[in-house]
Amino acid sequence: QKEVEQNSGPLSVPEGAIASLNCTYSDRGSQSFFWYRQYSGKSPELIMFIYSNGDKEDGRFTAQLNKASQYVSLLIRDSQPSDSATYLCAVNPGTYKYIFGTGTRLKVLA
Amino acid sequence: NAGVMQNPRHLVRRRGQEARLRCSPVKGHSHVYWYRQLPEEGLKFMVYLQKENIIDESGMPKERFSAEFPKEGPSILRIQQVVRGDSAAYFCASSPRRDDEQYFGPGTRLTVT
Repeated sequence: QKEVEQNSGPLSVPEGAIASLNCTYSDRGSQSFFWYRQYSGKSPELIMFIYSNGDKEDGRFTAQLNKASQYVSLLIRDSQPSDSATYLCAVNPGTYKYIFGTGTRLKVLA
Repeated sequence: NAGVMQNPRHLVRRRGQEARLRCSPVKGHSHVYWYRQLPEEGLKFMVYLQKENIIDESGMPKERFSAEFPKEGPSILRIQQVVRGDSAAYFCASSPRRDDEQYFGPGTRLTVT
């Protein structure tokens, strides 16, 4: 069974701090990785995707991928209260079928 | 630039009725995916369609559920004889190519009373 694991949280960080969200996956053949943000009662919103080992930066967000260790992480710099949401990790194991983790709830404290 | 559109946004059905959920993908996207999300749970893949074709429906219950994506018009997820356990948020996503990133619609929240 292909799985994607995330700590459900909540992860609480003070405003301005770096929030670090982690995700592990079981299928070594996975090829692409996605982070979605989901506010309560809303739909998932794509934040970042990463295909290659290493870091990928976009504004305050950095995605990090380590295929050897089978984990992907999302760093949010200068966290804001508006970043408070559930962050979903999704893995594409080489097909169109994304496998989603259950999400990590982030709380940024003002 | 219209994103993925879904309607209705909220749907209430009594047990035994039919529910029809509609999804219009991003213009130019021919790949549509349906997911179900229960409260406090992750998204579960249901079905993947391209225009006029069901590619993979392995995540969809074999009974009562069906999906289509006709040549013209939106994709439709149909649930017959709904039961309380069908109450969930149903999200549609689309992508321009099969393995590209998927963009989600606002979802339809189905409540079965």
